[in-house]
Amino acid sequence: EPEVTQTPSHQVTQMGQEVILRCVPISNHLYFYWYRQILGQKVEFLVSFYNNEISEKSEIFDDQFSVERPDGSNFTLKIRSTKLEDSAMYFCASSELPHEQYFGPGTRLTVT
Amino acid sequence: KQEVTQIPAALSVPEGENLVLNCSFTDSAIYNLQWFRQDPGKGLTSLLLIQSSQREQTSGRLNASLDKSSGRSTLYIAASQPGDSATYLCASKGYGGSQGNLIFGKGTKLSVKP
Repeated sequence: EPEVTQTPSHQVTQMGQEVILRCVPISNHLYFYWYRQILGQKVEFLVSFYNNEISEKSEIFDDQFSVERPDGSNFTLKIRSTKLEDSAMYFCASSELPHEQYFGPGTRLTVT
Repeated sequence: KQEVTQIPAALSVPEGENLVLNCSFTDSAIYNLQWFRQDPGKGLTSLLLIQSSQREQTSGRLNASLDKSSGRSTLYIAASQPGDSATYLCASKGYGGSQGNLIFGKGTKLSVKP
């Protein structure tokens, strides 16, 4: 069964460093999303992406964040200068239509 | 602004029991509602999606209902098993320009004792 994959599973970085989180959505899906979950808190929406552009973003998704679909398979989330409060589990999701979303296993980001 | 609440935060039941997990939302103008399962340290597995025009969806031992007028959804698990132990999340999706923006509850942590 097709699934969303994410790499790495765990990323440790120092404050101020740039990180890129990678996702491979399900191949025939057209809509892509990033969410995050700070430990013990709700899953929060960051951004949605369709037709090679951002279709919606939350207040969390400020100028430090960017997304890209560099080729036909990968979808990336970049954080330019990480802060301690960026430590969280980051989930990528995809959907064929803007309906049922399928989530990847997540990348745990630890900022020290 | 949509708020999604799940009660209880945790639930422990003996194996074999039927149980109901609750999800409430403040804005009834939802496009759909999706139930997920999350195992510790893992991703979210989609269980059921109910469109706004539907009243319920079933998959195996799971049945999800939706009552938009009262702002509620329930997930019914029949004949619970220890393997059902996980955190169950509900998430609503609104109308309008949003093509993503699932709003999540905090989840109910279910423990099924053998």
